[in-house]
Amino acid sequence: EVQLLDSGGGLVQPGGSLRLSCAASGFPFTNYAMAWVRQAPGKGLEWISTLSGDGTDPYYADSVRGRFTISRDNPQNTLSLQMSSLRAEDTAVYYCAITFPTYNSKYFQNWGQGTLVTVSS
Amino acid sequence: EIVLTQSPATLSLSPGERATLSCRASQSVRSYLAWYQQKPGQAPRLLIYDASTRATGIPARFSGSGSGTDFTLSISSLEPEDSAVYYCQERTNLWTFGQGTKVEVK
Repeated sequence: EVQLLDSGGGLVQPGGSLRLSCAASGFPFTNYAMAWVRQAPGKGLEWISTLSGDGTDPYYADSVRGRFTISRDNPQNTLSLQMSSLRAEDTAVYYCAITFPTYNSKYFQNWGQGTLVTVSS
Repeated sequence: EIVLTQSPATLSLSPGERATLSCRASQSVRSYLAWYQQKPGQAPRLLIYDASTRATGIPARFSGSGSGTDFTLSISSLEPEDSAVYYCQERTNLWTFGQGTKVEVK
């Protein structure tokens, strides 16, 4: 069974940093690009980052480029998102997701349960 | 950057009725469009990909159609459990979501 367990959320002050993690199991982790999608309170879904299966090709939305860094530890089946220079508008539930199909990663097949990040003083 | 516009914003229907949701792309995405369902407090769930292919385990009452810039998600006979927000999504360059349509079944 595919499982994605998001963790690392919490309360952080504006300008601060936070690292999110996603523990994956039940599928060949290295074969799949992985992504982070967020959802601000009461708002829609916003894609923010994707990383190729081998970890060499990252993609970022304009809203987070230069502040967030996506990475993965394939032996440990873990995806991470290092967030810095956090702003109030980064407050959201952050979901990790498996992209598919493997050859073009167009869609999000499975999702974690999400972890809440609150940026506030 | 492609913009996806969903309509209507809210749809209120009765059980057994048919729901028709629209997603319009600002430029052609060919048939590379997906639909997701999100219930309150839950993560999204993939319903449809490549415009018309149901994901694993999705009931046959959900169907997708369209290509190019105009797409439709239909729910043939609504059940109360179908109350949710539905999002369309594409990836031509980067990944983009529509703003969502809320479906209320009561």
